[in-house]
This record gives sequence, C-alpha cells and structure tokens, in this order.
Amino acid sequence: AQKVTQAQTEISVVEKEDVTLDCVYETRDTTYYLFWYKQPPSGELVFLIRRNSFDEQNEISGRYSWNFQKSTSSFNFTITASQVVDSAVYFCALTTNAGNMLTFGGGTRLMVKP
Amino acid sequence: DARVTQTPRHKVTEMGQEVTMRCQPILGHNTVFWYRQTMMQGLELLAYFRNRAPLDDSGMPKDRFSAEMPDATLATLKIQPSEPRDSAVYFCASGPAGLVGNEQYFGPGTRLTVT
Repeated sequence: AQKVTQAQTEISVVEKEDVTLDCVYETRDTTYYLFWYKQPPSGELVFLIRRNSFDEQNEISGRYSWNFQKSTSSFNFTITASQVVDSAVYFCALTTNAGNMLTFGGGTRLMVKP
Repeated sequence: DARVTQTPRHKVTEMGQEVTMRCQPILGHNTVFWYRQTMMQGLELLAYFRNRAPLDDSGMPKDRFSAEMPDATLATLKIQPSEPRDSAVYFCASGPAGLVGNEQYFGPGTRLTVT
C-alpha cells in the first residue's frame, strides 16, 4: 500500500514571502515517481513536476524549487517570493512501477494575500 | 496546445437518473484515468485504461458505475442510477505511452450535482 501525507491543510502568507509545502510519502516499492500538481480556483489540475526515486537532485524552475530526500521520504515544494497568482490547492502524488495510478495527498490550500 | 477535454462541465440531475460523462484524451496518449474529487475523500482513482483496455477499476462502485473506451478518442463514465452521494467533480486524465511514471494531464472536470 502507498500513502501520501500533506500535513498542512491550509497556509496563508503575504505576497513576497517564501513558503514551503510539505509532502511525506510511504511505499514499499524501490522504484516510484513523485509529482506535484496545482489546482487553481478554476479547478483544473496542472502538472508541475515529476521526480523518480533514483534522482535525488533538487530542482529549481523560476520561483519554484523542490527538495527530494529519500532518507526522510519527503518531497517538499518551495515557492520563493510568492505572488497572489500562486494561490491554489497544491497536491503531492505518488505512483509506482506497478502501474501509473496516482495516489494523491490531501492537498494544501495556499492563500497569498497582497 | 493539446488538452484533455471533458463534457459536460456541469451536470445537475435528480436521484435515480442516468449520468454519462465523456472525455477526449490527448491524441496519442494511450492511458486514460478517471478520478473523483470530494471534500471528504479528496482525489481518488476510479478506473484506469491502457490501450482502451480496463486495467483497474477497483475504486469504482460496480453496482452503479461503469467506464468504457469505445475508441481511442473517447472515454465514458456512466452512473446508473445516480445518488446524492455521487455529487463530486469527476476528472479524466490521460498519459503518454511508453515508460511508467509518466505525468498525467487532467481535463477541466465535470461537476456533478445529484439532488
């Protein structure tokens, strides 16, 4: 069985603050893939990043960065200099080699206030 | 810009009625997924197809739900008869052929309300 936990249900920050969204996962598989999706108020789920279990390099894309640590089974997401447009629900998800079905965390609602 | 499309975007129906939701995956994608999103349960997988064959529908209530792919450009999810507890947003997602762990691209969802 696999599980994804996003302990922060809601985070509120003021624009330009940095914010980190936590994601902890559980799986018995040695090969797995982790994802982050963004769900803005419009409702659509937008793919942000994929990381496989063999690649622990951190990744940076503009104001977004991801920190993957197998030792703590975590895949955290940081937004630097947050903007109002970053307000959304962010989901962390996991899939294993056994199939491509995504197991989602409960999501973290991020509110960025001007 | 290729996208997954879903129809209808919104559906309000009365309990007991049949509901059909449709999805057009991105051209060339061979995996199709149906997810349901509710406040209580979050996002949960209902069914999964690869090359139009159902591979996993263990998340779907079998007595009233059915999922099919009549052809590579159309996936359907039917509920008959519908119940108020089926009220949710239903997402279709598609993914490219080949490697496991490929990202899935989601449609805009169908918001279903059963009264």
